[in-house]
Amino acid sequence: DGGITQSPKYLFRKEGQNVTLSCEQNLNHDAMYWYRQDPGQGLRLIYYSQIVNDFQKGDIAEGYSVSREKKESFPLTVTSAQKNPTAFYLCASTQSRTDSYNEQFFGPGTRLTVL
Amino acid sequence: QKEVEQNSGPLSVPEGAIASLNCTYSDRGSQSFFWYRQYSGKSPELIMSIYSNGDKEDGRFTAQLNKASQYVSLLIRDSQPSDSATYLCAVNDRGYGGSQGNLIFGKGTKLSVKP
Repeated sequence: DGGITQSPKYLFRKEGQNVTLSCEQNLNHDAMYWYRQDPGQGLRLIYYSQIVNDFQKGDIAEGYSVSREKKESFPLTVTSAQKNPTAFYLCASTQSRTDSYNEQFFGPGTRLTVL
Repeated sequence: QKEVEQNSGPLSVPEGAIASLNCTYSDRGSQSFFWYRQYSGKSPELIMSIYSNGDKEDGRFTAQLNKASQYVSLLIRDSQPSDSATYLCAVNDRGYGGSQGNLIFGKGTKLSVKP
């Protein structure tokens, strides 16, 4: 089955810890995205990537880092510099970031809670 | 700042009625428009995409686009309790550097279908 997987489903972090959220897709999509969703809020873009070894900051990149070493994988690290990381994190992908007609598809999400 | 506006609701309709969800956007040059359904605690699921003025029907769902008025809507006919969810409107971001595939999301409208 083609799709996007995210792990873990739930993640708990202590103050001062870095944590890494996994996102993998087997749709052969070029572009991948990370969003953050807070209660009652829309989706806010953290980082996006069009090709391997290239990524761009979104609207709220501070306190986050990413890598794109493989086309299929786009992990997100939430660093200790992110002051309010408790949120629902969503990974998405689309065929091409430069094509405005492409549809974005989402993984199941990771719910991160700071203890 | 490009914006996508939705009435947060909740919108309550009786079972079997037509639910009408509305969305306005600020960038007159936007080309692609999407509706996502998000059940509580789950990730968004793409249900409709529309690119040209007019109506697009898919089963019980109809998307309507009016680019002159910068308005897109989603009609759900014969609403069912299983349609109860938050509906997100998304519009492509005509950013610089080839980021047309990026999306700007509204905060969503919560729909409740009462049996």
